[in-house]
Amino acid sequence: EDQVTQSPEALRLQEGESSSLNCSYTVSGLRGLFWYRQDPGKGPEFLFTLYSAGEEKEKERLKATLTKKESFLHITAPKPEDSATYLCAVQVEGTSGSRLTFGEGTQLTVNP
Amino acid sequence: KAGVTQTPRYLIKTRGQQVTLSCSPISGHRSVSWYQQTPGQGLQFLFEYFSETQRNKGNFPGRFSGRQFSNSRSEMNVSTLELGDSALYLCASSSGQGKDTQYFGPGTRLTVL
Repeated sequence: EDQVTQSPEALRLQEGESSSLNCSYTVSGLRGLFWYRQDPGKGPEFLFTLYSAGEEKEKERLKATLTKKESFLHITAPKPEDSATYLCAVQVEGTSGSRLTFGEGTQLTVNP
Repeated sequence: KAGVTQTPRYLIKTRGQQVTLSCSPISGHRSVSWYQQTPGQGLQFLFEYFSETQRNKGNFPGRFSGRQFSNSRSEMNVSTLELGDSALYLCASSSGQGKDTQYFGPGTRLTVL
């Protein structure tokens, strides 16, 4: 069974304190790994897609990396506005369609 | 381009009633997927429609159904509502082909009393 596990469940940082969020996955074959950001009461906002091990993508203070077993979302010098829940999801090879399997998310709080 | 829109944004129903939620995808997208989000279960896949055909289905009872129209707009129906159906229902649209990315709408918050 396809499985996605995110850690930690919750993370509190001081403004400017860099850290990383982890997403480990167990799937029969990875077609793509996705990172989303979700604010309370809103729909997930797309951040990155990674397709193969070794791939990296960056956007402002965020950088996502991918290995054969896990992905990291690195947050450099975070600001309070980066506070949100970060979701990781996978699309699996061999399955028809666009179905995503999500992890439980990491709730990030950045204090000023 | 306009994003994914969902209506209504909030809904309150009582047990036993039925409800229909609507989703308009990004222009040009042919795939619409529906997800249920609850604090205990996280985001769970309900089903996906592509070119008016259901091509993927999650592990939800038959009370949950959907359809897609020729303009790619999609509706989701839940019959005989139960308290446990209270959730945020999210719609996501994508091209539905190749290495596509799903873009989510704001969701419909359903409360069942």
